[in-house]
Amino acid sequence: DARVTQTPRHKVTEMGQEVTMRCQPILGHNTVFWYRQTMMQGLELLAYFRNRAPLDDSGMPKDRFSAEMPDATLATLKIQPSEPRDSAVYFCASGLDPGGLSGNTIYFGEGSWLTVV
Amino acid sequence: TQLLEQSPQFLSIQEGENLTVYCNSSSVFSSLQWYRQEPGEGPVLLVTVVTGGEVKKLKRLTFQFGDARKDSSLHITAAQPGDTGLYLCADVPDSGGGADGLTFGKGTHLIIQP
Repeated sequence: DARVTQTPRHKVTEMGQEVTMRCQPILGHNTVFWYRQTMMQGLELLAYFRNRAPLDDSGMPKDRFSAEMPDATLATLKIQPSEPRDSAVYFCASGLDPGGLSGNTIYFGEGSWLTVV
Repeated sequence: TQLLEQSPQFLSIQEGENLTVYCNSSSVFSSLQWYRQEPGEGPVLLVTVVTGGEVKKLKRLTFQFGDARKDSSLHITAAQPGDTGLYLCADVPDSGGGADGLTFGKGTHLIIQP
């Protein structure tokens, strides 16, 4: 059963530390998204890639966040330095040419729960 | 920037009751998706609606897309505890290659009590 895999599932870290979250998209999917979910803001799009190329990271604080896709099987989201306000659930999602015209959907991972103290 | 408003924000009802939750947009949807998110999991797609006035059914769930494609509703008949979760609506960009991400509402937190 193909699924998006995220690690770590849970992370507690101290303010100022570097945090790296990893995502393995579903094999064959060419589009990868990073979302952040909080109670206050809901699900927010941080960045996405198509065919490993970054297309939009306007939702991401540039000074401390970075997203990369070193190969087709791995996407990473890094926060350096981390701050308490970064505490949230970070979701990775992947799809094959998703969108209204194609009718293809995206599939979410189970999320990485980050707490920065 | 499109704003998606979902209501109610929280809803707790008894098993067997019926309920409706709503999703409204400040602008016309390209197409709209409804997701359910269970605790500790990522959102899972329930349905996609594209055409104004469209009605889709998924077992006890009925999804309706407004004629003007600016609103949608989800009706659950005879709710079960397994229906508990966060129900999210999302605007799906009509961008051909699909490179744009979904814009989500903040969701309706639904609790069905046995």
